[in-house]
Amino acid sequence: AQTVTQSQPEMSVQEAETVTLSCTYDTSESDYYLFWYKQPPSRQMILVIRQEAYKQQNATENRFSVNFQKAAKSFSLKISDSQLGDAAMYFCAYRKPLIQGAQKLVFGQGTRLTINP
Amino acid sequence: DTEVTQTPKHLVMGMTNKKSLKCEQHMGHRAMYWYKQKAKKPPELMFVYSYEKLSINESVPSRFSPECPNSSLLNLHLHALQPEDSALYLCASSQDGIRGGTSSYEQYFGPGTRLTVT
Repeated sequence: AQTVTQSQPEMSVQEAETVTLSCTYDTSESDYYLFWYKQPPSRQMILVIRQEAYKQQNATENRFSVNFQKAAKSFSLKISDSQLGDAAMYFCAYRKPLIQGAQKLVFGQGTRLTINP
Repeated sequence: DTEVTQTPKHLVMGMTNKKSLKCEQHMGHRAMYWYKQKAKKPPELMFVYSYEKLSINESVPSRFSPECPNSSLLNLHLHALQPEDSALYLCASSQDGIRGGTSSYEQYFGPGTRLTVT
């Protein structure tokens, strides 16, 4: 069974600084998808960034980028120029591709990110 | 429109009550999900509907009864709940791979219903 591990329950960073959240996963599949979701306090969970395992290039979305190391099964999230609005719980998630049918996400335990002004 | 809506936002119910949670999406997604989330924990999958048919039931107690009346709506009927069922209940939707080909098909989450069982 696939597992996702986030080893940092809590992280903090100064506003405008850069922070990296760690995620490792375990799978025997060669093709899969990885996601980072953000859940601000009392607000909706939203997708931050996705990575297809067959793509060597690391995904980037504005200030958010990932460092995807397939051999090491590592998928870290880097947030540059941290803003107060980045404060949230961040979940790393894994999904294997499906030709048909609904998908099942495997979530890590989450990292609570605090931004210090 | 990438919105999933859920009603009510908050619900307090006694252990003998019957209530329902509602979820709606108009993105044309054919897969819809119910999750349960405890504080500071990741969401736990409860049910998945694909093309209005129940495709995954994660061994959820029968006091939770899902229903998918049509492709846009998802309900969760609650009956005889226990205090430990108090949690945030999240609905999500996604495209479904049944039309062929693989894709990231990310899930879009609703804001959740905060349920308190007294």
